[in-house]
Amino acid sequence: AQSVAQPEDQVNVAEGNPLTVKCTYSVSGNPYLFWYVQYPNRGLQFLLKYITGDNLVKGSYGFEAEFNKSQTSFHLKKPSALVSDSALYFCAVGYSTLTFGKGTMLLVSP
Amino acid sequence: DAMVIQNPRYQVTQFGKPVTLSCSQTLNHNVMYWYQQKSSQAPKLLFHYYDKDFNNEADTPDNFQSRRPNTSFCFLDIRSPGLGDAAMYLCATSTRQGALSEQYFGPGTRLTVT
Repeated sequence: AQSVAQPEDQVNVAEGNPLTVKCTYSVSGNPYLFWYVQYPNRGLQFLLKYITGDNLVKGSYGFEAEFNKSQTSFHLKKPSALVSDSALYFCAVGYSTLTFGKGTMLLVSP
Repeated sequence: DAMVIQNPRYQVTQFGKPVTLSCSQTLNHNVMYWYQQKSSQAPKLLFHYYDKDFNNEADTPDNFQSRRPNTSFCFLDIRSPGLGDAAMYLCATSTRQGALSEQYFGPGTRLTVT
């Protein structure tokens, strides 16, 4: 069975500082890895995905994620956080269907 | 704009009273998904359609059914809602089956069971 762990319920960061939202997974082989973001009263929106190739994946809104096979991690990063990045972030993993993590609330303070 | 629409956004039903949630899409995607998301938990896949082919997750309760009369519409029927079925229900679409394609989500329907 595949599983995803997002160990932090909430991440707080000041605007302009770098941010990291952590994700680790448990699934055999080389699954597809995704990050989605959910703003209040909106559906989940696709941010980026890792299929194969370069371990650093770039996505929407300046976000990127680093795939680390040995640590089975896929952490989301951004060099300089914006207040407007405040939202709920979901990591997901799978082959045929996706298994989502429980989400991490990112709060960026002015 | 092409999108995934869910109606209603908020639904209140009584314990044991059947309820139907609807999802429509203008993206013309082949695959439609229904997820259940309880408070502070991960979205959990209930089932999905690839065209007319229905795929039920092994642990989805029999109380949950789905219909897809055409490409654009998909319905979630809860035959006898219990208090434990109160949740946000998310509809999503993708261009093809399999996790390779990103999914496009609707805003969700929040179901309350009284």
